[in-house]
Amino acid sequence: SQQGEEDPQALSIQEGENATMNCSYKTSINNLQWYRQNSGRGLVHLILIRSNEREKHSGRLRVTLDTSKKSSSLLITASRAADTASYFCAPYSGGGADGLTFGKGTHLIIQP
Amino acid sequence: NAGVTQTPKFRVLKTGQSMTLLCAQDMNHEYMYWYRQDPGMGLRLIHYSVGEGTTAKGEVPDGYNVSRLKKQNFLLGLESAAPSQTSVYFCASSYVYYETQYFGPGTRLLVL
Repeated sequence: SQQGEEDPQALSIQEGENATMNCSYKTSINNLQWYRQNSGRGLVHLILIRSNEREKHSGRLRVTLDTSKKSSSLLITASRAADTASYFCAPYSGGGADGLTFGKGTHLIIQP
Repeated sequence: NAGVTQTPKFRVLKTGQSMTLLCAQDMNHEYMYWYRQDPGMGLRLIHYSVGEGTTAKGEVPDGYNVSRLKKQNFLLGLESAAPSQTSVYFCASSYVYYETQYFGPGTRLLVL
């Protein structure tokens, strides 16, 4: 299993702006997932993108995947205060039920 | 559906005491996981289960034991708590191991 590495570690933007965070990984993947964690709560699944997909949308979220660069990005458009949270990527490279690992996350703060 | 629930929400233990954390899911998922989350460390997998009656070690299993006697429940035990086990513990479940994991709200454990 491999761990994704999110960048930046922290991001502060104004409400209404777009937020972009990145995830890099080391070996080829089957899929990559993004999760959100609001303060003091469990993780919530946002999007899963498979290795043969390049882009995926869900509401205000857009995820891209570049397997040649071994990286993914999560874009949140028109940010809201409720988007303040930590965001984690989880690349899955196979290997069984213990193969999904989480990075340390990007902490996003939306300023009113 | 309640999803994934965890009991208790918060607990304080003295060094050497024992306790059991209970995780329950009502989604009929085969796979269940226990993670711990420490500041700056992300989520680390403690133990996981691929079905009723099965358990396996994750990344940081030492000092913990688990049991999955019923499909819907996954118990995490600390036989002799240590201050290093102070953490937030999350349970998760999934239908298949390589896709979405559903997380519980977490248990905050403080070992004095």
